[in-house]
Amino acid sequence: GAVVSQHPSRVICKSGTSVKIECRSLDFQATTMFWYRQFPKQSLMLMATSNEGSKATYEQGVEKDKFLINHASLTLSTLTVTSAHPEDSSFYICSALLEARQETQYFGPGTRLLVL
Amino acid sequence: AQSVTQPDIHITVSEGASLELRCNYSYGATPYLFWYVQSPGQGLQLLLKYFSGDTLVQGIKGFEAEFKRSQSSFNLRKPSVHWSDAAEYFCAVGAMNRDDKIIFGKGTRLHILP
Repeated sequence: GAVVSQHPSRVICKSGTSVKIECRSLDFQATTMFWYRQFPKQSLMLMATSNEGSKATYEQGVEKDKFLINHASLTLSTLTVTSAHPEDSSFYICSALLEARQETQYFGPGTRLLVL
Repeated sequence: AQSVTQPDIHITVSEGASLELRCNYSYGATPYLFWYVQSPGQGLQLLLKYFSGDTLVQGIKGFEAEFKRSQSSFNLRKPSVHWSDAAEYFCAVGAMNRDDKIIFGKGTRLHILP
């Protein structure tokens, strides 16, 4: 149980285009999901907290107009990287909060974004 | 300030040898502590977690960790490593209040010698 999926697993796009990444909790409902970014050989940096039915809470320094988050249902959160640039190339990981298991986060497999 | 320190960036051990990965934290409240493992190009998998109770926590894949409040540590151990254990290991700390974020350490890369 507690499986989280992400789609796509890899995406290559041209500079200036937008990319949408989906995060789904497959066998549980998650009122809270998190989006992280990981640079090569670095730790995870929390970008934003996604709450079902309300606006996301962004960390300091994260541009909310660039990284659009929508948590429209209890099993789906999306991250849209708008007008992507090469510096947005990174590994994006989502997690979903499983409240029944004492607030443990379960992570998706990640999405590798490459902006050319 | 809240922080998690993993002092070893890289650790190399021989297959079959014992392993200990260090983690120290600084947290104002009673912490929840986690260890995650990340294989190359993959997401994170939860190895184990400590919330309360017994300070020695058993996890998956033969891993265990011990919470030592006096030392603010939560070191990960395994008595005998396997080549498949080669990965990046992240220690993380959080709190019961869901507004508190999970803070990750910078990770320790584990290399296994045949």
